[in-house]
Amino acid sequence: EPEVTQTPSHQVTQMGQEVILRCVPISNHLYFYWYRQILGQKVEFLVSFYNNEISEKSEIFDDQFSVERPDGSNFTLKIRSTKLEDSAMYFCASHQEQGGEKLFFGSGTQLSVL
Amino acid sequence: EDQVTQSPEALRLQEGESSSLNCSYTVSGLRGLFWYRQDPGKGPEFLFTLYSAGEEKEKERLKATLTKKESFLHITAPKPEDSATYLCAVQARNTDKLIFGTGTRLQVFP
Repeated sequence: EPEVTQTPSHQVTQMGQEVILRCVPISNHLYFYWYRQILGQKVEFLVSFYNNEISEKSEIFDDQFSVERPDGSNFTLKIRSTKLEDSAMYFCASHQEQGGEKLFFGSGTQLSVL
Repeated sequence: EDQVTQSPEALRLQEGESSSLNCSYTVSGLRGLFWYRQDPGKGPEFLFTLYSAGEEKEKERLKATLTKKESFLHITAPKPEDSATYLCAVQARNTDKLIFGTGTRLQVFP
């Protein structure tokens, strides 16, 4: 079965540093998402992206966050100046069409901010 | 506010002991209710989507049902490999985002 690939699997950074989390969605998918899960808490929506622009974002997704699809295959999440509370597992997800039944998630990047 | 509550938080079953997981929801116009399985250190893995009250879907030992206020995930004769966290999520109309519950952590012992 096709997979969403995320790199790195673990990222450790110092508070205030910039991080970029990378994702390769499934090749024929058009809708891309970032979710995060703080340890022991719910999976939370961050942002959705379609046709090279943000289609929806949550209150969590403030000016410190940005997303980009720099080429035909990669989808990135950038956090400009990390905070301790940004420590979480970040999941990339994709599907083929809006409201598509099956949302495919990657295995996640565990971000630790020290 | 759209919300999902799952119960119980944790469930321990003997192999072969059937049970049900509950997902209660409030949403301003349901587009779909989703069940996912999550293994430790992994992303959620899609199981089912339900769209309207009365709908049921099955996959192997799992069966999901939906009413206007809640959904159940029935597990029949579970095996140790069914051990995982089961997540419920809802999607409202006119939005792309899924709203997740905190999940039920299922452990099945041989």
